[in-house]
Formats: sequence, structure tokens, C-alpha cells
Amino acid sequence: DTAVSQTPKYLVTQMGNDKSIKCEQNLGHDTMYWYKQDSKKFLKIMFSYNNKELIINETVPNRFSPKSPDKAHLNLHINSLELGDSAVYFCASSQERGGSSPLHFGNGTRLTVT
Amino acid sequence: GQNIDQPTEMTATEGAIVQINCTYQTSGFNGLFWYQQHAGEAPTFLSYNVLDGLEEKGRFSSFLSRSKGYSYLLLKELQMKDSASYLCAAYQTGANNLFFGTGTRLTVIP
Repeated sequence: DTAVSQTPKYLVTQMGNDKSIKCEQNLGHDTMYWYKQDSKKFLKIMFSYNNKELIINETVPNRFSPKSPDKAHLNLHINSLELGDSAVYFCASSQERGGSSPLHFGNGTRLTVT
Repeated sequence: GQNIDQPTEMTATEGAIVQINCTYQTSGFNGLFWYQQHAGEAPTFLSYNVLDGLEEKGRFSSFLSRSKGYSYLLLKELQMKDSASYLCAAYQTGANNLFFGTGTRLTVIP
């Protein structure tokens, strides 16, 4: 069974479109995250949710909006896509909010904006 | 703020030992993680250090010196499958967040 699953794996779309990426974890973890990995492989935190509450909101454009219907799901909606949004987006979860809990990553969604 | 530095690329020979260094400057530091990421795949957890010293886990060991802001990942008996990127990440208490370095791409050659 996949612990952290995200869909779709690949997403190709045009500038200006709106798209969503879905993420689900079956580990029973309390905290979920979205990370962005750019072409230089730099992995940067975007959001995290703990028990359905947003606890981190890095300085990302407000075109990006996380939505968590329950603690097992954290979806990412992106409005008005731009070329610079092209990257790999990783969903992750951890057992606890604290720093000692390792992150479990999904397999990533490669977003290409043309 | 936070700043994490690690070499961009390294090459080592199959069967050898390689050490990947990481230096960090992170306010509210409370733990150092190492992750492995194969090309096109998700990062996977390797090790966690919060106290000074060496943590050994099979062929992989990780060391931390909090006073020096320094960590390394030691890989022994290198195998071809160890070719991957190795990501150093520091946990910052204030932001309750894990900040990653840019990763070290390790290539293992025969």
C-alpha cells in the first residue's frame, strides 16, 4: 500500500489555467506538507497542515491555496498558472508536528506550464 | 534565517567510502536530517541527529556537531545503487519547519 500518494504524476497545462494536485496519506500522520522542487533540485517548503489547521505559510503567491478536507488529505490548488510554476511538487506527511519526525514523501507531481 | 551548504557533486568508486559534508546556519536549530533522492523519485529518510555524535545505521552513518554547525553523512562499501542525491535538512524550531540544502549528487563508478 502506498503511504503517501499524490495525483496526477504528470501535469502539462497552459499559462493562465487553474489546476489542482491531490494528496492522501494512510499513515495516520497528523501533519502534511507541500514542497516545491525546482530545476536545480532545491526543495522548498510551501505549506503544512496540522490537524486541518494551517501552521506554516511560506511566502508563496496567493495563487497557491492548500485545502485539507480531513487530516488524511491535503490538496493544492493553483490559479492562473505561470511559466515559473513549472517544477516538481511533493506532498509529504509526518507523525508529529515536532522536528524529530521524519517526512514521508509522495512520488511527486511534475508540473509543466507552457 | 537559515543557510545550508553542501557540495553540489561528488564521485566515488564502488566499494569505497565517501563522506558528504553539510554546514548549516539556522536560528532555533533543533535537529539535522539526511534524505536520499534517486533521480525522478521521492526523497526518502536516511538519518536524524539532534545530539552531537555519530549515529550508525548499517552502511550509512551520520555525524553532528551543533557547536560547529556541521554534519556529515558517511557511506561505506559503496554500491552502484547508492548513486543519488543526498539532501541535508535542518529543523528550525521557531518556524516549525524543515529547511533543505540543495543536495549533493553522488555518482558511484565501477
